[in-house]
Parts: sequence; C-alpha cells; structure tokens
Amino acid sequence: DSGVTQTPKHLITATGQRVTLRCSPRSGDLSVYWYQQSLDQGLQFLIQYYNGEERAKGNILERFSAQQFPDLHSELNLSSLELGDSALYFCASSSTGNTIYFGEGSWLTVV
Amino acid sequence: GQNIDQPTEMTATEGAIVQINCTYQTSGFNGLFWYQQHAGEAPTFLSYNVLDGLEEKGRFSSFLSRSKGYSYLLLKELQMKDSASYLCAVREVNYGQNFVFGPGTRLSVLP
Repeated sequence: DSGVTQTPKHLITATGQRVTLRCSPRSGDLSVYWYQQSLDQGLQFLIQYYNGEERAKGNILERFSAQQFPDLHSELNLSSLELGDSALYFCASSSTGNTIYFGEGSWLTVV
Repeated sequence: GQNIDQPTEMTATEGAIVQINCTYQTSGFNGLFWYQQHAGEAPTFLSYNVLDGLEEKGRFSSFLSRSKGYSYLLLKELQMKDSASYLCAVREVNYGQNFVFGPGTRLSVLP
C-alpha cells in the first residue's frame, strides 16, 4: 500500500458525459501528479500540482482539468468523454520529489 | 523536450540475469528512476540514480551514465514474479520537477 488513495476504482460511462476522479496523497505529500495509461501504452503525464498550485502541465486535453484543494486532495475532471479516453488514470504523490508513489488507479471505460 | 527509449519486450529464464537498458535525451536532468509495473496495477518504485555509477538493492541494481544519457536495470536470480513491465523515468528540473516515463519494457520470465 503506497498510501495514495484513488476513487473510484472502476467507472463506466457514456460518451459525452463528465466524470471526476479523486485522489488523496500520502500524508504530508504536497505534490500530486496525474498520469493516463491507455491499453498497452506508457504513462502519459497530464498535470502536476504543488500545495494547491499548478506546477507543470503535460499533454492534457482542454476537455480535462484538475485542481488541488487546501486539504491537498486532488480531483481530475474529464468532460465530453470520447471512446479514446478509456484508460487507467493514476494519481501519484511526492514530498521531496526524490520519488513519486502511485495510487492503485481509476479504470475509466467510456462506452 | 524529452525522449526516453527502452526495448519493448525481453524474455529471460528463471534464475538468470537480465539487463534492461534505457537511453534518454532531456534538458534539466535531475535523476533517473526505475519502476516495476504488473499488468493493471500501480507502478512501484525500484531504484534511483542521480550520480553516475551503480546502485545495488538486493537482486536489483541500476546504473547511470549522465554523459551518455544511459541507464540500465540489472535483475539477478530471476523469479517468475519478476515478469512485469519495467519503466524508466527521468526527473526534470525545468519541467516542474516532473517525472517523465519511458514506454516501458515488458519482461517475461520463463521456467
């Protein structure tokens, strides 16, 4: 158990819909990262937050947005969903940046 | 920008030694990390190099040459449970202290 908690673990939704994925980082970690992993694909960096502020942005679609709240949990919002958005979405957290620890992921299936 | 390359697949025999290579091109390099990922599960941290040389951790060792943009992960006394994907990741300072992952190497350990 990495200490990073993600909910929901599985989600099935229809095209055009909007979903919110939630992440609670390890206790004390200020940085939160979001990654997308499609079937047989590598981890694609989406966005990073540090203590509530956006720190870095990757190849995140405009339909996707995220935020980190004062209690340090983070949410990733995916809207106007398409079939190609079906993937495993990972949240990771870090304290010093010496390494990052991943949650179990949220499986999103768009039908 | 960044570019990280790893072999796509490797096969080895139980009890043997295998070396998984990773080459990278990046600016603002600040560390090379190796993660293990079993299918459908979260990546788990294996090893970390920031200076040139070899880091040993039980059956796993990782090597880094910053001048060559090269790292390898060495797995000794292979076990069936080592069948997994191995992800090389670069931490970059000028990318929000972010972790950029390579495509991963899928290792199959055969009896």
